[in-house]
Amino acid sequence: DVKVTQSSRYLVKRTGEKVFLECVQDMDHENMFWYRQDPGLGLRLIYFSYDVKMKEKGDIPEGYSVSREKKERFSLILESASTNQTSMYLCASSLVNRGPREQYFGPGTRLTVT
Amino acid sequence: GENVEQHPSTLSVQEGDSAVIKCTYSDSASNYFPWYKQELGKRPQLIIDIRSNVGEKKDQRIAVTLNKTAKHFSLHITETQPEDSAVYFCAPNQAGTALIFGKGTTLSVSS
Repeated sequence: DVKVTQSSRYLVKRTGEKVFLECVQDMDHENMFWYRQDPGLGLRLIYFSYDVKMKEKGDIPEGYSVSREKKERFSLILESASTNQTSMYLCASSLVNRGPREQYFGPGTRLTVT
Repeated sequence: GENVEQHPSTLSVQEGDSAVIKCTYSDSASNYFPWYKQELGKRPQLIIDIRSNVGEKKDQRIAVTLNKTAKHFSLHITETQPEDSAVYFCAPNQAGTALIFGKGTTLSVSS
């Protein structure tokens, strides 16, 4: 059974703080993704990674960076948190096997920036 | 990039009725068409998917139909039940690319 975990379910940070969101998967998946989810806007892709030390920008990368030092771990970094980054953040992972495969999501981190 | 639209954005049905959600996309290279379901407070989960060499796929009460020429695919739920109440997302994409999700359709099934 695939397991994707995220470091926190709820997080409250102050404007200007550096924020780290951690995601770990235990199924040796090559692909990992970070999305943010806001009411009425669906799931928007922030960054993704196809391999260790590799990253690609998604649709809304501004204000975010990522790190993938190990295959199982994908971190999302908010360099200087702002109130418009208050959101639900979802991590996901998937296999690479002759095309797209099911993405497995973590439980999400609800981040509030005050 | 892919432009994805879902219709309707909200849908209310009576238990036992059918529900249909449509997803239109712009990239003719898309060849994988999944639907995800997200119940309140839970993570999205894949419920059904179809590839471009297939026109229709069924799994018990849910089905997906694909019209590649018109660039749309639809989720069909028959005999709806209260537990079908959720937000449904489509995510058409091509092999090797990240899923880009539609904005979602909120389905409410009342008993």
